[in-house]
Amino acid sequence: DVKVTQSSRYLVKRTGEKVFLECVQDMDHENMFWYRQDPGLGLRLIYFSYDVKMKEKGDIPEGYSVSREKKERFSLILESASTNQTSMYLCASSFRGGASYEQYFGPGTRLTVT
Amino acid sequence: EDQVTQSPEALRLQEGESSSLNCSYTVSGLRGLFWYRQDPGKGPEFLFTLYSAGEEKEKERLKATLTKKESFLHITAPKPEDSATYLCAVQGVRGSTLGRLYFGRGTQLTVWP
Repeated sequence: DVKVTQSSRYLVKRTGEKVFLECVQDMDHENMFWYRQDPGLGLRLIYFSYDVKMKEKGDIPEGYSVSREKKERFSLILESASTNQTSMYLCASSFRGGASYEQYFGPGTRLTVT
Repeated sequence: EDQVTQSPEALRLQEGESSSLNCSYTVSGLRGLFWYRQDPGKGPEFLFTLYSAGEEKEKERLKATLTKKESFLHITAPKPEDSATYLCAVQGVRGSTLGRLYFGRGTQLTVWP
């Protein structure tokens, strides 16, 4: 069974704090993704990574950065948290290659910034 | 740009009342179309991948079909436990090397007894 885990289910932070969200997958997937999900807006891609130390911006990278030092781990960093970053954050992973591969998601982190 | 539109946004069915959810897509060379189920407060759960027009996949009361412009998720004799949001996503040639998917906003299905 594919397993994607996220460091926290619920997180409450104050405005201006630096926030780290961690994601770990155990399927040796090359690709990893960070999304945020808000009511009425659906899933929006923040950043993704197709290999260790490689990253690509998604549709809404502003205010976020990422780190991938090991293949199984992908971290999302909120440099200075703001209230408009209150959201559900979802990590996903998939194989990379010639075929089209599904993404597997973690359980999500509900982040509240006050 | 690759795009996905799902309809309806919300659907209420009585238990046993069959129906279909629609996913219309625009993509530069379809590599794969994906269906997910998402329960409140949880991450999406993968259901199906469809690769080419005419393909069908089934799982319990769910059947997914694919044409060149849209996909349908047919729900036969639904039960209350089928209540969830169903998401559709596509991968086109442009995004395929990096594994990027484009998601629709989902259809929220409620099945009442």
